[in-house]
Amino acid sequence: EAGVVQSPRYKIIEKKQPVAFWCNPISGHNTLYWYRQNLGQGPELLIRYENEEAVDDSQLPKDRFSAERLKGVDSTLKIQPAELGDSAVYLCASSPRDGISGNTIYFGEGSWLTVV
Amino acid sequence: GQNIDQPTEMTATEGAIVQINCTYQTSGFNGLFWYQQHAGEAPTFLSYNVLDGLEEKGRFSSFLSRSKGYSYLLLKELQMKDSASYLCAVPDQTGANNLFFGTGTRLTVIP
Repeated sequence: EAGVVQSPRYKIIEKKQPVAFWCNPISGHNTLYWYRQNLGQGPELLIRYENEEAVDDSQLPKDRFSAERLKGVDSTLKIQPAELGDSAVYLCASSPRDGISGNTIYFGEGSWLTVV
Repeated sequence: GQNIDQPTEMTATEGAIVQINCTYQTSGFNGLFWYQQHAGEAPTFLSYNVLDGLEEKGRFSSFLSRSKGYSYLLLKELQMKDSASYLCAVPDQTGANNLFFGTGTRLTVIP
């Protein structure tokens, strides 16, 4: 079974430029997450989707970040314009259901963003 | 809200046993997860505890005490490939499966 697929794997951009990350979750997983992980820290949730609906985006910096999950499968996360502090690993994850404790979250390998 | 404390770094010898501790505060307990993350890779699921006690899975075991807000991950017969960060996580207060992660414990296994 294919895991969570993300692209690009690595991205270097200049500040004020836009960047977009793409995620394809595990087939059949209704719940999709975007996490951000800074060096030496644990992942922090940015947004969670149930199918195509964003049900928790309280941690998403909405002035520059946006996300969508059209058709309830693939998702994109966009930053525009990027700032130096946005340099981090952006992890996409999926799980089969939500609201039921114990559902394991499966992570993709992440998109490593460096803003210069 | 949630809070998780774990040691930042640990070092242990190949073949030995190491215990990585995690203390947590959360409103409404919905289980505790341990993830392993090798450098440059995604976190991978290790264990999930919802009841008190020790759960063993091969060389790895995880322990939970809900009354003490405490968990540990026990790694036996350490191998060099066990060098990684170990992340303790709890579902957040929404009760859904948003995981709140600790900063992780970076374990280095030396020969």
